[in-house]
Amino acid sequence: DAGITQSPRHKVTETGTPVTLRCHQTENHRYMYWYRQDPGHGLRLIHYSYGVKDTDKGEVSDGYSVSRSKTEDFLLTLESATSSQTSVYFCAISGGGTQYFGPGTRLLVL
Amino acid sequence: QQQVKQSPQSLIVQKGGISIINCAYENTAFDYFPWYQQFPGKGPALLIAIRPDVSEKKEGRFTISFNKSAKQFSLHIMDSQPGDSATYFCAANGGGSNYKLTFGKGTLLTVNP
Repeated sequence: DAGITQSPRHKVTETGTPVTLRCHQTENHRYMYWYRQDPGHGLRLIHYSYGVKDTDKGEVSDGYSVSRSKTEDFLLTLESATSSQTSVYFCAISGGGTQYFGPGTRLLVL
Repeated sequence: QQQVKQSPQSLIVQKGGISIINCAYENTAFDYFPWYQQFPGKGPALLIAIRPDVSEKKEGRFTISFNKSAKQFSLHIMDSQPGDSATYFCAANGGGSNYKLTFGKGTLLTVNP
């Protein structure tokens, strides 16, 4: 998985609670991305980062926030989890071009 | 607005057959077209990619055909094997815009033995 780890790999949480997912890379790539994957929707971009403290929204950013205080770490926070945020979340990294994906985090919001 | 349309949603092929997955895009600014392969429980993995200055790229049994005028590109898997059974995603990169990818919705390929 190209030096990308995601934690946790599985999480069950309750509606209304905050949740933070972590993506860690060892490739020193500038760009990092968070996607969610849902049946029938493919991969949809939530947020991305183009450098430390530089982030921007993707197509499905409502209800999510991100932070990147170090090159190697990109955090995704669900501010108040809802059942519609039950999904598989993938982190990806890029040095400028090809994106490489992590193993994913499976999140269930009850 | 879906900018990359992928078809079919699912595909069943016999071992040794040819699998063909098609994608169409709308944004003429796209300049990089990768295909990803995803096995259950795993993250997508880059399979093969093409830029619009060539009409075809081949890597082993996998070939991308690209038609710039029609804004279409396709993945051909020759001599399909049961181990090729996976979900395939096409994608497009708008170039210069933080390398964001727009993905098709995926095709579930099943290769029967």
